[in-house]
Amino acid sequence: KNEVEQSPQNLTAQEGEFITINCSYSVGISALHWLQQHPGGGIVSLFMLSSGKKKHGRLIATINIQEKHSSLHITASHPRDSAVYICAHPETSGSRLTFGEGTQLTVNP
Amino acid sequence: DGGITQSPKYLFRKEGQNVTLSCEQNLNHDAMYWYRQDPGQGLRLIYYSQIVNDFQKGDIAEGYSVSREKKESFPLTVTSAQKNPTAFYLCASSIDGGPVGEQFFGPGTRLTVL
Repeated sequence: KNEVEQSPQNLTAQEGEFITINCSYSVGISALHWLQQHPGGGIVSLFMLSSGKKKHGRLIATINIQEKHSSLHITASHPRDSAVYICAHPETSGSRLTFGEGTQLTVNP
Repeated sequence: DGGITQSPKYLFRKEGQNVTLSCEQNLNHDAMYWYRQDPGQGLRLIYYSQIVNDFQKGDIAEGYSVSREKKESFPLTVTSAQKNPTAFYLCASSIDGGPVGEQFFGPGTRLTVL
C-alpha cells in the first residue's frame, strides 16, 4: 500500500473552474512536495512546504501536519494547467522521496 | 543557465544490448537520482547517490548499474539483465540528500527496446 494517497486519480474541469487535488500520507514528515508533470514528461517542482500555506500565481498549496493532509488548489483554471500533479514526501531516512500515484488533470476550453 | 540535461530524448535499442543514459547537472548539487516511469504509473526509484563515489540501490535496481565519478554526472546503464527496459527514465538532483531537499528533474529519456 502506497504511503501517499492522492485523490482524485483523474479530474476533468472546464476552463475557469476552481480545482482541488488532495494528498494524504501516513507517517510524520518534515516537508511535502508538489510536482507537475507536463504531457511531454518533464517534471517541475511547484511547492515544498512543511506548514501552513504557500501561493504562487494561481496555485495554492496547504498542509495540515496534524491531519497528515495536503491540498493543491488551482484558481481560474486554464487548459495549460492540464498535467499530472504529484505529491511526495521524504522517507524516514530522509534521503529519498515517496511519491503518490499522481492526479491527471484535464482542463477543457 | 543552470539545470539538468539528459540525452538523448528518445533512444531505441535492440533486445540484449546494454545502453547508457546520460545525466548531467551544473547546479553543484551533491545528490542525484534515477527514476523509472511506466505508462500511467508513478515514479519508482532505481538508484541514488548522495555524494561522489557513493550510490545506493533504490526499489528497482535489478538490471541497472550506475557510477558517480564526478559530481555533475550520474550515468545509468540499462543492462541486458533488465527484463522489461522499455520505459521513461528521469534523472533528478538536489542540493544534498537531506529530508527537505527540493528535487530538480531533467527532461527525461524515453527508451524503447525492440
